[in-house]
Amino acid sequence: DTGVSQDPRHKITKRGQNVTFRCDPISEHNRLYWYRQTLGQGPEFLTYFQNEAQLEKSRLLSDRFSAERPKGSFSTLEIQRTEQGDSAMYLCASSAGTVATNEKLFFGSGTQLSVL
Amino acid sequence: DAKTTQPPSMDCAEGRAANLPCNHSTISGNEYVYWYRQIHSQGPQYIIHGLKNNETNEMASLIITEDRKSSTLILPHATLRDTAVYYCIVGDAGGTSYGKLTFGQGTILTVHP
Repeated sequence: DTGVSQDPRHKITKRGQNVTFRCDPISEHNRLYWYRQTLGQGPEFLTYFQNEAQLEKSRLLSDRFSAERPKGSFSTLEIQRTEQGDSAMYLCASSAGTVATNEKLFFGSGTQLSVL
Repeated sequence: DAKTTQPPSMDCAEGRAANLPCNHSTISGNEYVYWYRQIHSQGPQYIIHGLKNNETNEMASLIITEDRKSSTLILPHATLRDTAVYYCIVGDAGGTSYGKLTFGQGTILTVHP
């Protein structure tokens, strides 16, 4: 039983560099979500995909952030020109997307980003 | 705006039942109550959800009051591995939320030996 996998687990970068994270959802889950979590806070919604279509983006997702889900399978989240305020845990989740399971999300272990 | 209110922390002795309360006084008729937990350095894990009836699964029981304004998550026999942050969330399954969960700060449950 493979869950949601994220890569890398940890990323340290210098301010101004670009970083890209990958998420592989549970196979056949048509919905994929990105959340961000800072220390001591609950996760915050960033964006979600239904298959390959990005249907909603939070205002937290500035124009330096871009997410893709080509072919409706894995997803990538890219942050350009990183800032120290981008330091956080980036969590990916997927769901089967049925009415009964809309909010039953399966989360990965996250990518911890540290911007120096 | 937070839709739920939870105590910031709770303690429980190992082997005893842990009862985690949640207030959701503004819940609407089509909103479900969801519970997730997050163990240190891991992503949140789904526990259980319910609409108005009490629910039980292999992990926990969920008791929802008749007026649906509050609920209690019960871990019947807490173990040290249940030490985590527990989040109570209300969501409109099948509506417009589409899995866009709004997490609060949750309750830090510490299970003691």
